[in-house]
Amino acid sequence: KQEVTQIPAALSVPEGENLVLNCSFTDSAIYNLQWFRQDPGKGLTSLLLIQSSQREQTSGRLNASLDKSSGRSTLYIAASQPGDSATYLCAYRMKTSYDKVIFGPGTSLSVIP
Amino acid sequence: EAGVAQSPRYKIIEKRQSVAFWCNPISGHATLYWYQQILGQGPKLLIQFQNNGVVDDSQLPKDRFSAERLKGVDSTLKIQPAKLEDSAVYLCASSLAPPRWGAETQYFGPGTRLLVL
Repeated sequence: KQEVTQIPAALSVPEGENLVLNCSFTDSAIYNLQWFRQDPGKGLTSLLLIQSSQREQTSGRLNASLDKSSGRSTLYIAASQPGDSATYLCAYRMKTSYDKVIFGPGTSLSVIP
Repeated sequence: EAGVAQSPRYKIIEKRQSVAFWCNPISGHATLYWYQQILGQGPKLLIQFQNNGVVDDSQLPKDRFSAERLKGVDSTLKIQPAKLEDSAVYLCASSLAPPRWGAETQYFGPGTRLLVL
């Protein structure tokens, strides 16, 4: 059974802090892994996509890493801002059925001004 | 570029009633997805269309849920009859093509929040 866990479930930090969100998955044969952002009342927005052959991707203050052997990915947010407050979800595609995306439950982030 | 449109945004019904949701994908997007997101969980794929054909509906509760995309553009998702456990946000997403053809990015609509009493 494909399963994704995200720790912590919720996180509250003061503005300016660097933080790490964790994602663990049970399926080692992944095709790629994505990090999404979800704002209340809105859909999901893709932040970063890491192919199985890559180890990390960066976009601005965001850096995502992938360790297939341990079944883990981390999303690093540098110098957090109140506008970063949202729920962050990781999701992966399997090699055997890469039309399907398996989502984690998300980490709810609150950045306090 | 207009995004994925969904309506209604909110719906409250009583159990055993019927409800329908509508989705208009981004123009030109051949692939359309319906997801169910229960509070505190990640989205779960219900059904995927390629044009007007079904690619994957393995997680769609077919005894009560149905979906169609007759002309390969708009799509409707119906629940009949609704149960309490159907309370969730129903998300529609579209992509230019299936992921196996290299179109990785899914664009999500704002979702329809359903409450079944």
